[in-house]
Amino acid sequence: DIQMTQSPSSLSASVGDRITITCRASQGIRNFLAWYQQKPGKVPNLLIYHASTLQSGVPSRFSGSGSGTDFSLTISSLQPEDVATYFCQKYDSEPLSFGGGTKVEIK
Amino acid sequence: EVQLVESGGGVIQPGGSLRLSCTASGFTLSGYWMHWVRQAPGKGLVWVSRINIDGTTAHYADFVKGRFSISRDNAKNAVYLQMNSLGVEDTAVYYCARGGIGYCTPTSCADYYYFGMDVWGQGTTVTVSS
Repeated sequence: DIQMTQSPSSLSASVGDRITITCRASQGIRNFLAWYQQKPGKVPNLLIYHASTLQSGVPSRFSGSGSGTDFSLTISSLQPEDVATYFCQKYDSEPLSFGGGTKVEIK
Repeated sequence: EVQLVESGGGVIQPGGSLRLSCTASGFTLSGYWMHWVRQAPGKGLVWVSRINIDGTTAHYADFVKGRFSISRDNAKNAVYLQMNSLGVEDTAVYYCARGGIGYCTPTSCADYYYFGMDVWGQGTTVTVSS
């Protein structure tokens, strides 16, 4: 099975900072990658699919890029409401594995 | 309002069985692939299973194969997860999620357009403990 590895596992940044989370697949998955945000105590929320397509209603400060094995999620200007854990997910084939998550906090 | 509501969780002894239900409202379930995803306390998301639009195709994570079974009743706008031979490692919040607009070809209904899991239920908690 293809493994999904996220880094870092956690990060702390200031409001207004640009942050980037990476997700690496152990084999190529073309652009079949989604990103989810899970705020504390809440249900996961889809942010991005097809590696770079923003889900409707998601703020434009979120962006995704990558193809093959290396992907990234960028928040261009971190806001207090972005405190959450972020997960990537592959969907080229089953199992539709998630990455281990990246916890984002405000400094 | 588009919504998924899970039910059926609870406390169960190791080796026991539970059947989770997920009921959809605000959209027609029959047009979508549906998934179950779980999250152990303090841990990450883990994909468990998915089912196609007419219930003829199902996929499972290796760790539940032979123990869990996903099914659906489109007339009731519902998806189910039958869980047997439960172990303590199955303790988690179980989420139902919508993911994939399905369509049928002349030979099967196993194809879909996937845009991520865009609707999630609030989750139901399964605790396996003696």
